[in-house]
Amino acid sequence: QITLKESGPTLVKPTQTLTLTCTFSGFSLSTSGVGVGWIRQPPGKALEWLALIYWNDDKRYSPSLKSRLTITKDTSKNQVVLTMTNMDPVDTATYYCAHLHASGADFDYWGQGTLVTVSS
Amino acid sequence: QSALTQPRSVSGSPGQSVTISCTGTSSDVGGYNYVSWYQQHPGKAPKLMIYDVSKRPSGVPDRFSGSKSGNTASLTISGLQAEDEADYYCCSYAGSYVFGTGTKVTVL
Repeated sequence: QITLKESGPTLVKPTQTLTLTCTFSGFSLSTSGVGVGWIRQPPGKALEWLALIYWNDDKRYSPSLKSRLTITKDTSKNQVVLTMTNMDPVDTATYYCAHLHASGADFDYWGQGTLVTVSS
Repeated sequence: QSALTQPRSVSGSPGQSVTISCTGTSSDVGGYNYVSWYQQHPGKAPKLMIYDVSKRPSGVPDRFSGSKSGNTASLTISGLQAEDEADYYCCSYAGSYVFGTGTKVTVL
């Protein structure tokens, strides 16, 4: 079965760079049509899509955050890494990674999420 | 790219039906048949309930249904049950992706 798990720091300081890793199993990111995305949710607020990487290394970013985000994959390790630069307290959120339904446009499996707090 | 607009809350009694709207533009909801809906209980990860506007993943009860007209998609929950009380989010493909503002469903 498909599982995903996010890992990374729980606390970062303002202006620092956040690096999050999504480690997954049950699928390969070299299979045609597959993708992995990142979505975040500030406490008590709505979901916000951040970035997506496809099996063919095509990458998509939220227009409003594009300058701060980088998404990469390591197919051999079954991992996807998201980096976000210049962190600010408003970036405090639970960060989720999710599997993109093969050749679709929906997120059918989600990780449990990891809460990242930005504070000095 | 602005968030899709959803009502902040909807409510209904057990057994009733509720409908949640999701309004976007011709660049997202209206431009693609790629609208999905997610259910989120407090402290939990979102769960896919509807994809491709109206398709249900295996295991999702058939009292959940989706539709779309123009730039507005809708999720209908028929025969409301206590466990349906949760937050619901729509999401549309738009070259990238955009989520809705979220709707809290309360079962009275």
